[in-house]
Amino acid sequence: QLQLQESGSGLVKPSQTLSLTCAVSGGSISSGGYSWSWIRQPPGKGLEWIGYIYHSGTTYYNPSLKSRVTISVHRSKNQFSLRLSSVTAADTAMYYCARVIFGFGELPKNNWFDPWGQGTLVTVSS
Amino acid sequence: DIQMTQSPSSLSASVGDRVTITCRASQSISNYLNWYQQKPGKAPKLLIYAASSLQSGVPSSFSGSGSGTDFTLTISSLQPEDFATYYCQQSYSIPITFGQGTRLEIK
Repeated sequence: QLQLQESGSGLVKPSQTLSLTCAVSGGSISSGGYSWSWIRQPPGKGLEWIGYIYHSGTTYYNPSLKSRVTISVHRSKNQFSLRLSSVTAADTAMYYCARVIFGFGELPKNNWFDPWGQGTLVTVSS
Repeated sequence: DIQMTQSPSSLSASVGDRVTITCRASQSISNYLNWYQQKPGKAPKLLIYAASSLQSGVPSSFSGSGSGTDFTLTISSLQPEDFATYYCQQSYSIPITFGQGTRLEIK
């Protein structure tokens, strides 16, 4: 059974870079042609998609964050990561990693997130 | 961006009730619509994908329907463990967007 676990700095100063890692266990990050995603949720609010990386290495980012986001896969470590630069208090949120499953049809349409990691809270504060 | 609007935003119901949550997209998204359940302090869990396909392991009391712009999630008979927040999500175009959530509470 595939499991995902986020880790990284829980407290980041404004203007600095947020760095998180998602460790994949119970399967290889390189198998099955899956893709991998980051999603966040500010305290008490709804879900915001950050971006995902295809098994090919192609990335898609939310345009609202695109200039600040990098998602990478580290196959030898069975992990993928998120970097978000120039953070502000608005970036305070629970950050989730998830596997992306694609159904039939034209890419990048028709996809869903399963499973999700348990999430890690990142607070941006001086 | 495609806006996803759920209704109602909150709902009170009793164990055994039949409940329906609606999700409306700001433009047609075919059947590229998924539903998630989130309990307090937990990550979202996939319930329904591609509008009407039940994720493995999810009780058959959950069902989804719709196409185009209007979608529904139905719980045929509420169980105590079903009280949670539900989100819809479109995967028709980038950026992927979620509804604002529907909080289902015990009456």
